[in-house]
Amino acid sequence: DAKTTQPTSMDCAEGRAANLPCNHSTISGNEYVYWYRQIHSQGPQYIIHGLKNNETNEMASLIITEDRKSSTLILPHATLRDTAVYYCIVRVSQYGNAGNMLTFGGGTRLMVKP
Amino acid sequence: DTAVSQTPKYLVTQMGNDKSIKCEQNLGHDTMYWYKQDSKKFLKIMFSYNNKELIINETVPNRFSPKSPDKAHLNLHINSLELGDSAVYFCASSQAAGGNYNEQFFGPGTRLTVL
Repeated sequence: DAKTTQPTSMDCAEGRAANLPCNHSTISGNEYVYWYRQIHSQGPQYIIHGLKNNETNEMASLIITEDRKSSTLILPHATLRDTAVYYCIVRVSQYGNAGNMLTFGGGTRLMVKP
Repeated sequence: DTAVSQTPKYLVTQMGNDKSIKCEQNLGHDTMYWYKQDSKKFLKIMFSYNNKELIINETVPNRFSPKSPDKAHLNLHINSLELGDSAVYFCASSQAAGGNYNEQFFGPGTRLTVL
């Protein structure tokens, strides 16, 4: 798997956009970028993923650079409930392979402040 | 409705005992997983399993074994518990066939404490 690098922690004011960066300079052409988060004392939660194009869903937006060596997860209007550890994971998506196991790094601890 | 559930939520036991943690998913997924999150909060994959194959992370001791009575359940059995097994264990599931493997749904976790 391509290695990812994320800042250890970030702060964001409530109601403002939270922009979480991730570097994955060794990403391969068939690897996707996935984002998960883990709110304290809960299991990880899938947020979004993408390959080349920018993606948006009800939770967040994912911006992937043209060279695919980095990406940014955007929470457009952060709330206190978005305080969590955010994980950027790079992985292939292989049909029919039970060995497609996720590897979580240290992630970014996002603190949303009132 | 709970998508992925685990029981028990908390488990406290003595060293040397054998214990099981149960996991059930009602999402109709065909692949299930077990992860371990240690005191330093690193989340590590232990097993990946569907009806075709079991993939084991090579670092997992053979005291740990997953058992799947059917597609909706993947239980974790641990023999001869050690102090270092204390952690939070998460079950997860995903849909492989026709779906996105890496969109995994996680359970709430089981906090295991070995005394």
